[in-house]
Amino acid sequence: AQKVTQAQTEISVVEKEDVTLDCVYETRDTTYYLFWYKQPPSGELVFLIRRNSFDEQNEISGRYSWNFQKSTSSFNFTITASQVVDSAVYFCALSEPRGSNYKLTFGKGTLLTVNP
Amino acid sequence: EAGVAQSPRYKIIEKRQSVAFWCNPISGHATLYWYQQILGQGPKLLIQFQNNGVVDDSQLPKDRFSAERLKGVDSTLKIQPAKLEDSAVYLCASSLLILAVGGTDTQYFGPGTRLTVL
Repeated sequence: AQKVTQAQTEISVVEKEDVTLDCVYETRDTTYYLFWYKQPPSGELVFLIRRNSFDEQNEISGRYSWNFQKSTSSFNFTITASQVVDSAVYFCALSEPRGSNYKLTFGKGTLLTVNP
Repeated sequence: EAGVAQSPRYKIIEKRQSVAFWCNPISGHATLYWYQQILGQGPKLLIQFQNNGVVDDSQLPKDRFSAERLKGVDSTLKIQPAKLEDSAVYLCASSLLILAVGGTDTQYFGPGTRLTVL
């Protein structure tokens, strides 16, 4: 069965600090997809990134970067020079294509608080 | 482009009452999902539609929950009768592509409906 673990329940940083959110996943499949979503206080889940299991290149988008390592089954998310607007719950999720079933399995989320 | 719309945003009911939630997906999105998010946890899939057919409802408590997607666009999720443990945020999501073997697609979420059962 697939499983996503976000060991950090809460993280608090001061603005401009760098912060890394950890994600470890379990799957028996060789083909799978990993996602990060942001959930601000408004409640809506905002899509940040999708990676497939065959693409281990790290990705950078502005202040956000993602480190995918299959050897350790990890897909970590780093925010550089954090800002107050980054305060939210961040979810890592895993999807394994099985026929037409593509449900996402989410981790429990990490609450990030960025203090001014 | 308009996002996924949901209503109402908040609902408070007493146990044993009925409640219904509505979702309008992003225009053209064939696949629609309903998730339940209990406080402090990640969302859990309840049901997945592809057009107006059910793809997966294995985690839907069918004795009290029902959902439909008539005409393959809007969808409603109903709880009857509600229990205290149904207090949660109900999220609707949609994705663009008709799902094919070996593929996946990105799900876009609505703002959710926060249900409180007293």
